[in-house]
Amino acid sequence: AQRVTQPEKLLSVFKGAPVELKCNYSYSGSPELFWYVQYSRQRLQLLLRHISRESIKGFTADLNKGETSFHLKKPFAQEEDSAMYYCALSGVAGTASKLTFGTGTRLQVML
Amino acid sequence: GAGVSQSPRYKVAKRGQDVALRCDPISGHVSLFWYQQALGQGPEFLTYFQNEAQLDKSGLPSDRFFAERPEGSVSTLKIQRTQQEDSAVYLCAIKPGPGATNEKLFFGSGTQLSVL
Repeated sequence: AQRVTQPEKLLSVFKGAPVELKCNYSYSGSPELFWYVQYSRQRLQLLLRHISRESIKGFTADLNKGETSFHLKKPFAQEEDSAMYYCALSGVAGTASKLTFGTGTRLQVML
Repeated sequence: GAGVSQSPRYKVAKRGQDVALRCDPISGHVSLFWYQQALGQGPEFLTYFQNEAQLDKSGLPSDRFFAERPEGSVSTLKIQRTQQEDSAVYLCAIKPGPGATNEKLFFGSGTQLSVL
């Protein structure tokens, strides 16, 4: 069975401080990992996916198969980063969507 | 462009009442998904359509839940004899392209269902 764990419900950081949102997964095969974000009063939207190896809004995430982790990082937090972040896993790349989401971490950036 | 509209935005139902939740892709999309998000939880997969075909309904929690997409566009999620545990936000998502990968799923605003 596939499972995604986000251990922190709330992460509070000061503006300009580094951010790391933790995500660990459990899956026996080769997973496809994603980070979704939900800003206040907005829809859930894709932030980034591991296969793209891209940086979006200053965020990056590296898939570590040895540690089964996909932590989301940003060197300097901005006020506009405050949102709910969900890590998600798809068990089989390139086939029917059945995303498994974590419970989410609320990032609060304080001034 | 891609987009999906859900209605109603809020729904309050008495326990035992039937409800119907609507998902309307703004432009034609092949793949359509339903997710359920309980309070304090992440979204959980319910079912998936490719055009009018329901290819995966493994996430539907009971036979009280039924989804359809008869013309391959608008989809309706129906819940019969609602129970308090059905209270959640129901999210519809579409993929703006052929195939059914997870790439760039676009989510609707959701319908918040409260069962009293």
